[in-house]
Amino acid sequence: AQKVTQAQTEISVVEKEDVTLDCVYETRDTTYYLFWYKQPPSGELVFLIRRNSFDEQNEISGRYSWNFQKSTSSFNFTITASQVVDSAVYFCALSFLYNTDKLIFGTGTRLQVFP
Amino acid sequence: GAGVSQSPSNKVTEKGKDVELRCDPISGHTALYWYRQSLGQGLEFLIYFQGNSAPDKSGLPSDRFSAERTGGSVSTLTIQRTQQEDSAVYLCASTQGGDTQYFGPGTRLTVL
Repeated sequence: AQKVTQAQTEISVVEKEDVTLDCVYETRDTTYYLFWYKQPPSGELVFLIRRNSFDEQNEISGRYSWNFQKSTSSFNFTITASQVVDSAVYFCALSFLYNTDKLIFGTGTRLQVFP
Repeated sequence: GAGVSQSPSNKVTEKGKDVELRCDPISGHTALYWYRQSLGQGLEFLIYFQGNSAPDKSGLPSDRFSAERTGGSVSTLTIQRTQQEDSAVYLCASTQGGDTQYFGPGTRLTVL
């Protein structure tokens, strides 16, 4: 089965706190891609990151960082020093180049950052 | 254009009517996808177009749903005889084949 699980439905933090959004995926394929998208209240899905299954190197982009661990089939996303503008629903997704690249999404985690 | 555009942004229709939703992909993107986001089902794939190849329609929920892509650019998703369970946000995405998908703002469909 190919599946993405985001067990955290909703997370609330106070501004400047660090927060980690969990993503666990299931696949038997060895070649795949993982993504994170942000959906702010405006509704548009905003691309954040794409990683392929052969690249387990963690990545940092400003206050955002991603931890990819194939051993635990996880691709977690950490926001450091959260800000109110980070409030959104965050989706983790999986795709396969051989299968039209269609995205298989998790159910999303709603992050609320309070001032 | 600079990004993926969709129209209308909102559509309210009566049960049983047909609706057409439009997507304009990013210029030069060869692949186009439709997804649906609903409360009960989350984000789900509907259909995929790549160049002149036959579309992948494996995600369409019923034969009331169809889509076409004219001239390798604009796409129209048509829902015939709409039902209340069709109420959702319909999202379009485009990509330069095998690359990251970029999404439009979506069309919110409400079936009364």
